[in-house]
Amino acid sequence: EAGVAQSPRYKIIEKRQSVAFWCNPISGHATLYWYQQILGQGPKLLIQFQNNGVVDDSQLPKDRFSAERLKGVDSTLKIQPAKLEDSAVYLCASSLDLAVGGNEQFFGPGTRLTVL
Amino acid sequence: KNEVEQSPQNLTAQEGEFITINCSYSVGISALHWLQQHPGGGIVSLFMLSSGKKKHGRLIATINIQEKHSSLHITASHPRDSAVYICAVTTSGSRLTFGEGTQLTVNP
Repeated sequence: EAGVAQSPRYKIIEKRQSVAFWCNPISGHATLYWYQQILGQGPKLLIQFQNNGVVDDSQLPKDRFSAERLKGVDSTLKIQPAKLEDSAVYLCASSLDLAVGGNEQFFGPGTRLTVL
Repeated sequence: KNEVEQSPQNLTAQEGEFITINCSYSVGISALHWLQQHPGGGIVSLFMLSSGKKKHGRLIATINIQEKHSSLHITASHPRDSAVYICAVTTSGSRLTFGEGTQLTVNP
């Protein structure tokens, strides 16, 4: 079974530029998560999708971050414009439908973003 | 105060030593997870448990619901066990709340 795919793996940009990350979850997983992990800290949830609807985006800085999952499968996370403090690893994870008790999350390899 | 606290933050051991990492939480949970993160960022789920004890190879995870405490043990540690070990809890729905992680280094 293929795992969660993310691209790119690494990205270096200058502050005020824009960047987008892509995630393809495990086939059949209804729930998709984006996390931000700053060096030395645990991951922090940015947004959670159930199919193509947003379940939780309470910690997403909506003035600069946006995410979509239009067809309920893959997802993109965008930062526009980037700030220095956005330097982090951005992790995507997926899990089965909550309605069938799927709460084990499977993580992708992450995208390491450096903002200069 | 974080909802999930881990100790120690950093741990250095010699190959072959028995290792324990602790996790305490302050919220009601439906499950507790132990995750492993190697350099490069990828996270692998080691255990998901809601009671008792689970064992997989040299890894053992225990949880005490009444005391809101869990431990991850590694027997006969090996340099390839060097990684960050993260405790996380499932609160509402499938939302995970993470600890800060424990950086483990096992020297040969």
